[in-house]
Amino acid sequence: AQKITQTQPGMFVQEKEAVTLDCTYDTSDPSYGLFWYKQPSSGEMIFLIYQGSYDQQNATEGRYSLNFQKARKSANLVISASQLGDSAMYFCAMRGVTGFQKLVFGTGTRLLVSP
Amino acid sequence: DAGITQSPRHKVTETGTPVTLRCHQTENHRYMYWYRQDPGHGLRLIHYSYGVKDTDKGEVSDGYSVSRSKTEDFLLTLESATSSQTSVYFCAISDSADSNYGYTFGSGTRLTVV
Repeated sequence: AQKITQTQPGMFVQEKEAVTLDCTYDTSDPSYGLFWYKQPSSGEMIFLIYQGSYDQQNATEGRYSLNFQKARKSANLVISASQLGDSAMYFCAMRGVTGFQKLVFGTGTRLLVSP
Repeated sequence: DAGITQSPRHKVTETGTPVTLRCHQTENHRYMYWYRQDPGHGLRLIHYSYGVKDTDKGEVSDGYSVSRSKTEDFLLTLESATSSQTSVYFCAISDSADSNYGYTFGSGTRLTVV
């Protein structure tokens, strides 16, 4: 079975500062993908970034980077230079190679960016 | 031009009534999923489909059924709605079962059972 744990229900950050959202995972699959999604107050789920378990380098997408530490089974999202529009719910998710490769989500972290 | 649409967007229904939510895609993706989102639980999988007429249960399937008679449509039915099924329901699609492919989500349906 796969499990995603997000231990931070809420996070606060000031505009222009960096913030790290924590995500740990548990799986016995030999190969897997890790994803982060953003859910603004409007409710839609927006894909942010992906990291493959065999990728040698940490994924980056603009101001988003994924701090992947395989031995620790962590896949933290780093948002640099936070903007007011980054205020949202953030979900970490993983997809393995067993169990019909379904996407399993964590409980989410609500980020609030203040001016 | 959305590739995936959910209908209705909002619904209020009474306890004990059947409810059907529709997910329609124009991407010709093979895999379709229904999730529910509740505070403190994130998104949990209800049912999924890996082809026309091929469906299976997720982790919270009790009280729900699904049907997929065409590639583009995936229906979620609450056979007899209960207050515990008040939630936001998301449909998602994927064109691959590979672990390096994520999903594209619909905009969600907010269902309230009174």
